[in-house]
Amino acid sequence: DIQMTQSPSTLSASVGDRVTITCRASRSVGSWLAWYQQKPGKTPQVLIYKASTLESGVPSRFSGSGSGTEFTLTISSLQPDDFATYYCQQYYSSWTFGQGTKVEIK
Amino acid sequence: EVQLVQSGAEVKKPGESLTISCQISGYIFTSYWMGWVRQMPGKGLEWMGLIFPGDSDTRYSPSFQGQVTMSVDRSISTAYLHWSSLKASDTAIYYCARLPNQDYFDPWGQGTLVTVSS
Repeated sequence: DIQMTQSPSTLSASVGDRVTITCRASRSVGSWLAWYQQKPGKTPQVLIYKASTLESGVPSRFSGSGSGTEFTLTISSLQPDDFATYYCQQYYSSWTFGQGTKVEIK
Repeated sequence: EVQLVQSGAEVKKPGESLTISCQISGYIFTSYWMGWVRQMPGKGLEWMGLIFPGDSDTRYSPSFQGQVTMSVDRSISTAYLHWSSLKASDTAIYYCARLPNQDYFDPWGQGTLVTVSS
């Protein structure tokens, strides 16, 4: 099985900050990676798929990059609505989620 | 509009059986894979398995193989997740979600909270 490891597990940031979350795969997943946002008590929503393709309707401050085993999700200027937990997920071989990164208010 | 509407919260005792449902609208049910995802209290997302409603082909995560059964009723565009004997450790929110191209999950149902307690 492919393991997905996110870092950090928790991130404290302020509105306007540039935020980067890293996701590492235990072996190459090509570009078959998605990012999700989950707010407390809400359903996960896909932000990015195929490592860097922005889902329709997702603000352009979100971007994804990487391939192989290392990926990043970047929020260029953190907004109040962005405080949430973010998950990566590979779909190259079966399906695996990372453990999540909680973005908290500093 | 694509929608996945899940059945309501359940409270069960250990050893009881349970089936939860996910009814779709807004797309052709038999054309897309459907997945199930578990989220235990305060924890992350875990992929449980997939089913293709067109032919009921199923793929289970090794962690959930033999623990749950996925099925569909094509006549009412509904997917099901079944437990024959619940455990306290099955307490979680369960989400169904469509896979647009057998890849990522989008969109998701609203989730069904299952509480198993004696």
